[in-house]
Amino acid sequence: DSGVTQTPKHLITATGQRVTLRCSPRSGDLSVYWYQQSLDQGLQFLIQYYNGEERAKGNILERFSAQQFPDLHSELNLSSLELGDSALYFCASSVGLRGPLDGYTFGSGTRLTVV
Amino acid sequence: GESVGLHLPTLSVQEGDNSIINCAYSNSASDYFIWYKQESGKGPQFIIDIRSNMDKRQGQRVTVLLNKTVKHLSLQIAATQPGDSAVYFCASKGGYQKVTFGTGTKLQVIP
Repeated sequence: DSGVTQTPKHLITATGQRVTLRCSPRSGDLSVYWYQQSLDQGLQFLIQYYNGEERAKGNILERFSAQQFPDLHSELNLSSLELGDSALYFCASSVGLRGPLDGYTFGSGTRLTVV
Repeated sequence: GESVGLHLPTLSVQEGDNSIINCAYSNSASDYFIWYKQESGKGPQFIIDIRSNMDKRQGQRVTVLLNKTVKHLSLQIAATQPGDSAVYFCASKGGYQKVTFGTGTKLQVIP
């Protein structure tokens, strides 16, 4: 158990719908990172939050948004879903801002299937 | 643009043999490299890292080699075991927080 909790583990939804993925970071970690992993693609960085504030943005679509709450858990909202949004979505957390340099840890991911 | 790629999508190795997984990167400014292991149904797990001022680093049964001249790194796993079966990613860090992941190599260990 990495200490990073993602829910749900699996999600099946229809095109056009909206879903929310949840991530609870490891105890003591202030940063949360969201990644998308599509078939045959490496992890694509979406967005990072640190102590409730957005710190870095990657290839995140306008249909996607995220936030980090005062208790440090984070939610990734995906709307107007398309078939191409089907992927694994990972959350990682670290104590500081430097991602891998701070030894960030990944959750087990949420598998989203859009039908 | 920056890219990190893996030469082979699948590698089959006999149990007990050594495994070598290769990775090429394109950004010559990359200064930090990481290998991750991803088992089915799990998130990537840190294996070993290396900074650009080194060319070799050893861990427990794993060694990472970095060749900055040709922008190539490799992960060597000694005495491969069935539990090593997984997808292995390389990743490189360029500028501030810019981490690029490779697509992954699937390692299959044949008993």
